[in-house]
Amino acid sequence: DAGITQSPRHKVTETGTPVTLRCHQTENHRYMYWYRQDPGHGLRLIHYSYGVKDTDKGEVSDGYSVSRSKTEDFLLTLESATSSQTSVYFCAISVGGQNTEAFFGQGTRLTVV
Amino acid sequence: GNSVTQMEGPVTLSEEAFLTINCTYTATGYPSLFWYVQYPGEGLQLLLKATKADDKGSNKGFEATYRKETTSFHLEKGSVQVSDSAVYFCALIIGGSNYKLTFGKGTLLTVNP
Repeated sequence: DAGITQSPRHKVTETGTPVTLRCHQTENHRYMYWYRQDPGHGLRLIHYSYGVKDTDKGEVSDGYSVSRSKTEDFLLTLESATSSQTSVYFCAISVGGQNTEAFFGQGTRLTVV
Repeated sequence: GNSVTQMEGPVTLSEEAFLTINCTYTATGYPSLFWYVQYPGEGLQLLLKATKADDKGSNKGFEATYRKETTSFHLEKGSVQVSDSAVYFCALIIGGSNYKLTFGKGTLLTVNP
């Protein structure tokens, strides 16, 4: 499983509050990603990182920010949570070159009430 | 842009039936293609992959062939089991894209005894 740990696994938060999700990896992979999974949409990329302090936006980045101050940790912050951000969030890492394989964390189920 | 279209679910089969889940793609370059599987309550796992035209990926009795002429990567299994019940995602990566995965919307497979 490439040593990926997401925390928390479940969270309920109120609208308007900031929320931070953590992804931790143990194998020093360069590429890390945050996806959200919603019925009817599959998985959509929020943000990704290609190195320490190197991040970029994905297709659904509005309302989210990320930080990567060290190789092993990639944080996703919902600046002011809204009900539309209720979702299951997955962290992933990518290994290899063109023959790459992505490994996923167990997911964080976030409910915004 | 890049996109993946897979057959709408849900798909319900009896044990030992033949499975096909269709997947087609649109890509600006030459993608690597993947099938991921998500069992209930878990993250995604790589099921199989193919990195160039006419390659066949296979794993656990599942197969898919990279067809460049039809831009397809259909998933097949000759005899499904109850334990194959899961959500299946077709995905692609374009070289030089920081290994970002583009996913289809997923297909829920239920296999009944």
